[in-house]
Amino acid sequence: DAKTTQPNSMESNEEEPVHLPCNHSTISGTDYIHWYRQLPSQGPEYVIHGLTSNVNNRMASLAIAEDRKSSTLILHRATLRDATVYYCILRDSSYDYKLSFGAGTTVTVRA
Amino acid sequence: GAGVSQTPSNKVTEKGKYVELRCDPISGHTALYWYRQSLGQGPEFLIYFQGTGAADDSGLPNDRFFAVRPEGSVSTLKIQRTERGDSAVYLCASSPDVGGRSYNEQFFGPGTRLTVL
Repeated sequence: DAKTTQPNSMESNEEEPVHLPCNHSTISGTDYIHWYRQLPSQGPEYVIHGLTSNVNNRMASLAIAEDRKSSTLILHRATLRDATVYYCILRDSSYDYKLSFGAGTTVTVRA
Repeated sequence: GAGVSQTPSNKVTEKGKYVELRCDPISGHTALYWYRQSLGQGPEFLIYFQGTGAADDSGLPNDRFFAVRPEGSVSTLKIQRTERGDSAVYLCASSPDVGGRSYNEQFFGPGTRLTVL
């Protein structure tokens, strides 16, 4: 399985942007990049996913490097609710139904 | 609409006992997944159902673990002869069966916290 590398933790100030990096140097051409986050005492929730082009939705933006070996999840204006664990996951489009979670990045937001 | 629900939310049992954990997926979702999450770690895949059949049970740690989904909706994860190492949060997720699985967002329930004393 292709693997991802994320920093253990990041800090941000409220209402400032947060840029969460993810390295996936062994990514294959059919791997999609997915992000999930997990609020306390809840199951993970989907944030965003992409293949090659940058993606935007109401929650976040995903910037994908041209060589696809890294990507960045961007939270445009951090709120206290965004302080949680974020997971970067690769899923192969041809067969990969399960999610392979790593340890993720724990985001702290200062008020 | 209703999300994925799991019961019980908490389960405390004694070593050696049998437990059942229930998952009610989102209505109409044909794919169902079980994961296990130990403290401080990300969820770990256990088993995947497509309809009534277990399409992949490679994540089940040993033969004490078994899961069923007899009518293609509700699923039950069964653990026999529980051990202290089975203590974890057991998460269930579902997704619609639309072509191109990697596109499909998985919707997670809140989990069942299992404690084996």
